[in-house]
Amino acid sequence: AQSVTQLDSQVPVFEEAPVELRCNYSSSVSVYLFWYVQYPNQGLQLLLKYLSGSTLVESINGFEAEFNKSQTSFHLRKPSVHISDTAEYFCAVSVTNDYKLSFGAGTTVTVRA
Amino acid sequence: EAGVTQFPSHSVIEKGQTVTLRCDPISGHDNLYWYRRVMGKEIKFLLHFVKESKQDESGMPNNRFLAERTGGTYSTLKVQPAELEDSGVYFCASSHGRGHGYGYTFGSGTRLTVV
Repeated sequence: AQSVTQLDSQVPVFEEAPVELRCNYSSSVSVYLFWYVQYPNQGLQLLLKYLSGSTLVESINGFEAEFNKSQTSFHLRKPSVHISDTAEYFCAVSVTNDYKLSFGAGTTVTVRA
Repeated sequence: EAGVTQFPSHSVIEKGQTVTLRCDPISGHDNLYWYRRVMGKEIKFLLHFVKESKQDESGMPNNRFLAERTGGTYSTLKVQPAELEDSGVYFCASSHGRGHGYGYTFGSGTRLTVV
């Protein structure tokens, strides 16, 4: 079975500052990795995913994550955050032929002016 | 296209009562999933439908939970009788195919409070 650890439950950050959300996973087989975001009063939205190929993946709103197999990590970064990035972020993993997702506990990002 | 719709958005019931949650997936999505987040912990998988068939129900916590998907369209999740530990947010998601590349579309969730 696979598991996901998000190392920070709360991350306060000032507007225009960089942010990094840490995610580590454990699995005995190859994994697919995802970051989801939940804005206040909304559902989960896929932010970005790693399935194969380049280990650096990017989203349309400036986030990026890098798959590091040796460190079993998939940290999420953004060089300059906006107030609108205030949300809860979830790292998730799934494996070949098993389409359910295993989620981390979530990281709440609060961006302050 | 309309997204995944869940209702009610909130439900408060007493211990021992019955509650039914509903999920309307995106039209044409054969795959439907239920997940649950209890008390700020991880979001956990409950079960997976392919059309009207249960593909994987390994995450269902006990036999007080019953999920159905009549005709392969909308799905219901019934909790009977509800217990305090059932409180949480129940998410539904759907996808067109089963490959990871398809991705899921999640609903906004139903927040269930059992008192």
